[in-house]
Amino acid sequence: QSALTQPASVSGSPGQSITISCTGTTSDVGGFNYVSWYQQHPGQVPRLIIYNVSHRPSGVSNRFSGSKSGNTASLTISGLQAEDEAEYYCISYTSINTQIFGGGTKLTVL
Amino acid sequence: QVQLVQSGAEMKKSGSSVKVSCKASGGTLSDYAISWVRKAPGQGLEWMGGNIPIYGTINYAQKFQDRVTITADESTNTAYMELRSLTSEDTALYYCADIGYGDFAPFDYWGQGTLVTVSS
Repeated sequence: QSALTQPASVSGSPGQSITISCTGTTSDVGGFNYVSWYQQHPGQVPRLIIYNVSHRPSGVSNRFSGSKSGNTASLTISGLQAEDEAEYYCISYTSINTQIFGGGTKLTVL
Repeated sequence: QVQLVQSGAEMKKSGSSVKVSCKASGGTLSDYAISWVRKAPGQGLEWMGGNIPIYGTINYAQKFQDRVTITADESTNTAYMELRSLTSEDTALYYCADIGYGDFAPFDYWGQGTLVTVSS
């Protein structure tokens, strides 16, 4: 099973908004509302920022939001800040009762 | 708050096996959806397999199905991941983590990671 498809990189200036896509199939992203997003800074463990497509854990800034349309989930970060520069990964539950990550997206804050 | 503490770094030869442990404190391991995730140098996160709480079912990614075994010892509140037939491509940082599983929302507890280095 191939990784979910994410853009390798995205960039934006401070204060701007960016969106990272995560494309799968009807057997994963499109079939379930079990998509999460993780942020990983270099040398740190990943941190959950969105789960169940659009739910934000307590303590996560409301600048982070998630959505889904068809087989594509999206993470939007508004009001970009320097500290948002990191790698972002989506993960989805699948129809064969496994989970699968996206390939990861490197966000650069210009 | 659950804490997950993993075993130390390992250096292995190609063809051998490695077994990484993940000890939980502050909660009962079987109550959580513990998965094993790895990150190889220059690569992304990769889900290897995980436990569905309550049902006690363990599922594996197809890529690793023939080489990995995930177990748990309730008496010591410790989970284990054994990976066999190691190659240099298995050199990676291995994490145990509650990243959720289907109906079971993630608690986002992570071990500190265990570096496994495989050489010929």
